[in-house]
Amino acid sequence: RKEVEQDPGPFNVPEGATVAFNCTYSNSASQSFFWYRQDCRKEPKLLMSVYSSGNEDGRFTAQLNRASQYISLLIRDSKLSDSATYLCVVNMYSGYSTLTFGKGTMLLVSP
Amino acid sequence: EAQVTQNPRYLITVTGKKLTVTCSQNMNHEYMSWYRQDPGLGLRQIYYSMNVEVTDKGDVPEGYKVSRKEKRNFPLILESPSPNQTSLYFCASSFQEQSSYNEQFFGPGTRLTVL
Repeated sequence: RKEVEQDPGPFNVPEGATVAFNCTYSNSASQSFFWYRQDCRKEPKLLMSVYSSGNEDGRFTAQLNRASQYISLLIRDSKLSDSATYLCVVNMYSGYSTLTFGKGTMLLVSP
Repeated sequence: EAQVTQNPRYLITVTGKKLTVTCSQNMNHEYMSWYRQDPGLGLRQIYYSMNVEVTDKGDVPEGYKVSRKEKRNFPLILESPSPNQTSLYFCASSFQEQSSYNEQFFGPGTRLTVL
């Protein structure tokens, strides 16, 4: 059974805080991994892909542990504009992509 | 501008009245997909298409039909809508090159209410 589990939310943090999102996936054959961001009542948009060696994009750092089937997203120096729902997404690729979405974790950054 | 468009954006209808939600992309993507998003359930795939005339069921296909007669269009058809199809619907598209890291681009969503 394909499943992607995320921390239940919401996370309420003050501006400037560091916040971490965790995600586990059940299918060990999953091949690629992503974090998408979804603003309220809007479409999901790709935030960053997650590579085996870990990767960073400004204040955002993503990590992957294939042995533990675990993905994380770290946001440093949170901004008000980071308030959104963060979706962990796992891809089973066999000639075409089959994305499985976590239910998302809502982040609320307050002044 | 590269984008996925959906129409209508909002629709209130009644049980049993056939409707079509259109989806169009201008990025020459081979792969297109429909999702529904419900509170507490996240995004679930309804149908997908790997290319023209190639479609297949996702996780929740019951009550829906799709067609892919042209590469850019992937309409979602509800032949006899029921209240349990009230949901937020997203169309998405991506390339299908030899890479598992192809980004999926989503349309703005269609909020459907079936009374």
